[in-house]
Amino acid sequence: ETGVTQTPRHLVMGMTNKKSLKCEQHLGHNAMYWYKQSAKKPLELMFVYSLEERVENNSVPSRFSPECPNSSHLFLHLHTLQPEDSALYLCASSQGAASSEAFFGQGTRLTVV
Amino acid sequence: AQSVTQPDIHITVSEGASLELRCNYSYGATPYLFWYVQSPGQGLQLLLKYFSGDTLVQGIKGFEAEFKRSQSSFNLRKPSVHWSDAAEYFCAVAPGGRRALTFGSGTRLQVQP
Repeated sequence: ETGVTQTPRHLVMGMTNKKSLKCEQHLGHNAMYWYKQSAKKPLELMFVYSLEERVENNSVPSRFSPECPNSSHLFLHLHTLQPEDSALYLCASSQGAASSEAFFGQGTRLTVV
Repeated sequence: AQSVTQPDIHITVSEGASLELRCNYSYGATPYLFWYVQSPGQGLQLLLKYFSGDTLVQGIKGFEAEFKRSQSSFNLRKPSVHWSDAAEYFCAVAPGGRRALTFGSGTRLQVQP
């Protein structure tokens, strides 16, 4: 398998649930990202990991908790979400976090009910 | 802070017609510049990128873009649009250093038969 793979593709969760989004990249990259894409809004960068260290966190609410156990895997742990958190969550990777082109997964469509 | 503006939210062109999507950026130096395309329900695919050198860059699927420093623009063009080009197009900039991409709000392209 190649590229960036995200699972699940679709997720419906209640506001009291806990769930996790998974991202795996097979490109040998050393930087990974989470983006949030809401309707009629620009893509919002949530987290950046470079060499498994979080290097950027754009004031994301604590109900979103990232985890990067190694350079190939990235998780986004979700708990007590709000309906406005419903969005497409995109994972990306690049070789270096310094202005490199990013390769994106297909996203997880999250609906909070 | 850097920013990216895509002035056109929605564009409709006829199949076979030429296309130009506008992108303007605001940044103190020349950033790295990218165009991505997103089909419905999918992640983002890189069309082309500009780092330095020739200001006219060629990308995949017959797209090209021209960097104009004096206008702080990086417009995307295609001489003859195909129905399969209908999608959302995002311009992005990367300012260098350990910083991730900043995206414009996107332009949705509709192609009429």
